[in-house]
Parts: sequence; C-alpha cells; structure tokens
Amino acid sequence: DVKVTQSSRYLVKRTGEKVFLECVQDMDHENMFWYRQDPGLGLRLIYFSYDVKMKEKGDIPEGYSVSREKKERFSLILESASTNQTSMYLCASSEINYGYTFGSGTRLTVV
Amino acid sequence: LAKTTQPISMDSYEGQEVNITCSHNNIATNDYITWYQQFPSQGPRFIIQGYKTKVTNEVASLFIPADRKSSTLSLPRVSLSDTAVYYCLVGGRSYNTDKLIFGTGTRLQVFP
Repeated sequence: DVKVTQSSRYLVKRTGEKVFLECVQDMDHENMFWYRQDPGLGLRLIYFSYDVKMKEKGDIPEGYSVSREKKERFSLILESASTNQTSMYLCASSEINYGYTFGSGTRLTVV
Repeated sequence: LAKTTQPISMDSYEGQEVNITCSHNNIATNDYITWYQQFPSQGPRFIIQGYKTKVTNEVASLFIPADRKSSTLSLPRVSLSDTAVYYCLVGGRSYNTDKLIFGTGTRLQVFP
C-alpha cells in the first residue's frame, strides 16, 4: 500500500514563527499536494508539485511556500505563522489516472 | 476545472443501500470522476474512480450516465462505520498534472 507520512499529528506554534510541515511518500509518485481543511470550507489546495523542484500555486498560496528537493518529500513552509493559519493540513500524492493517497493530517494551532 | 454539486447531508439506517448523487455539468472530455471518504481527524480515502457507465469494487459502485454530467455513488448495506463525509471530485488536468478540487462533500450519518 502507498503510504504518505506527515511528520506531526499535532503542532502548536507561536505567531510569527517559521513553521515546516513535512510529508514523505514511499511509492515514487510524481505528484504531491498540500491542502488545508477548515470547517465549512472543505479542502482547499495550497500548492502542488508534479516533479522535483517544480511547484505550482493552488487556490490559496498566500502566506505559504513549498520545497521539493527530492521526489519523495514535499515540505510546506509557513514563513511567519499567523492565527488564521490554524487548520488541519493534509498532504497527498498521486500518479496520473490513479486516485490520491492522503496522509493522516497535521493539526496546526497558531497562538 | 469542473465544479461539483452534491447534497450537504444524508441520513440512513444500517443495512440500507445509500445513493449519493453528484452533479458536474461542465465535466471535460478527459476528466475522471473520483469519490473519497473521510472520517474525522483523518485524511480522505480513495473509494472508487470511473469514466463512464458503471464501475464496481469491493466497497461501492459508481454509476455514470452517458452524458457524464452527473454520477451516483452507491453503498450497499451500510453500517455504522460508513458514517463519514463523502467527496465527489472531477479530475482537472493542467499540462501533465492532475489537480483535484474538493467541494464541501456529503455528510452521511448511519443510524442503528
């Protein structure tokens, strides 16, 4: 089974901190994605990547950046965390024509 | 990217068949239709994917009419553990990527 692993289930950070959320997949998938999920808003795409060192903005990229130095790892970076970035963050990977596999999520609280 | 519309919530009882319909009027020729299931505090889980007609796996069936402007996820004989949010998605393609846009999903509540 494809496995997508997110480094932390729960994180608490202070406003203004730089935050790194790590995601690793073990099936050599080309595509990787970062979503955030908020009550009433569903899942919203932040960034995605279809190759190493490639990245594309999703629907809500403001306040975030990403890094994909290796195929299996896709990192989401909050340059200066703010309280409105408190959310559940979900990483996913996929191949073309196949379904996505999601990680278990990281619940980030910014205080 | 095709937008999807599905009911916000549905209720059912154990042992019943549940059908959740999704509308996607502006689906593109090369788009696939995919359904995901999500439990609280977990990431969505792939259930089934199809392009046209009918697809069946060990978990569900997916019915897609000829015009592909809608699709129906069918869950046979649901149990309490099927209580979850179900998302219908239509695959969007940009260059060599596929990017899925999630709607708000259908919250299915199964009662004893």
